[in-house]
Amino acid sequence: KAGVTQTPRYLIKTRGQQVTLSCSPISGHRSVSWYQQTPGQGLQFLFEYFSETQRNKGNFPGRFSGRQFSNSRSEMNVSTLELGDSALYLCASSLGSTGNTIYFGEGSWLTVV
Amino acid sequence: GNSVTQMEGPVTLSEEAFLTINCTYTATGYPSLFWYVQYPGEGLQLLLKATKADDKGSNKGFEATYRKETTSFHLEKGSVQVSDSAVYFCALSETSYDKVIFGPGTSLSVIP
Repeated sequence: KAGVTQTPRYLIKTRGQQVTLSCSPISGHRSVSWYQQTPGQGLQFLFEYFSETQRNKGNFPGRFSGRQFSNSRSEMNVSTLELGDSALYLCASSLGSTGNTIYFGEGSWLTVV
Repeated sequence: GNSVTQMEGPVTLSEEAFLTINCTYTATGYPSLFWYVQYPGEGLQLLLKATKADDKGSNKGFEATYRKETTSFHLEKGSVQVSDSAVYFCALSETSYDKVIFGPGTSLSVIP
């Protein structure tokens, strides 16, 4: 059974640009969530989608957005990139019910220069 | 709000030593508790979980028991190996919509 797949794995962007990251969940999983990991802030929750609807959102500015498609695949977008957006972005998937185990992908390493 | 506190380390142990990483949590409801491990350059892997009080999660020689009375979920292993060197995250899942709150992580280095 394939795990959570994230693309691209590594990317470098310039300040002011925008970036789109993609996530394919484990087959059968309908919940996809996104996290940002930085050395200073640790792991922070961005948002969670279930059946194409955002159910939960963390405390990030509106420059961070996401969506989920009918096949449960998800994308997150960051517009007007800032240096502080440099981070590892992790996608996770689960069946979507309380207490379900959440499985993480390898992450997308974003560097903003 | 809900939160997770854990010893940040770094922790350095000799091979075959006993490991304890303390984790305590604050939650309003009855969360599920997790330990995740992150090896260098990789994403997070679920190490073990417990979904209710007094449950014991175990995997690869690691154990943790959900203690509601002390709001703790300490990770233990009787004999660590060099391959256990990684960052360990204690986490809880809120009762709604799978939002996971992580502790700051504990870096473990095991030396031969």
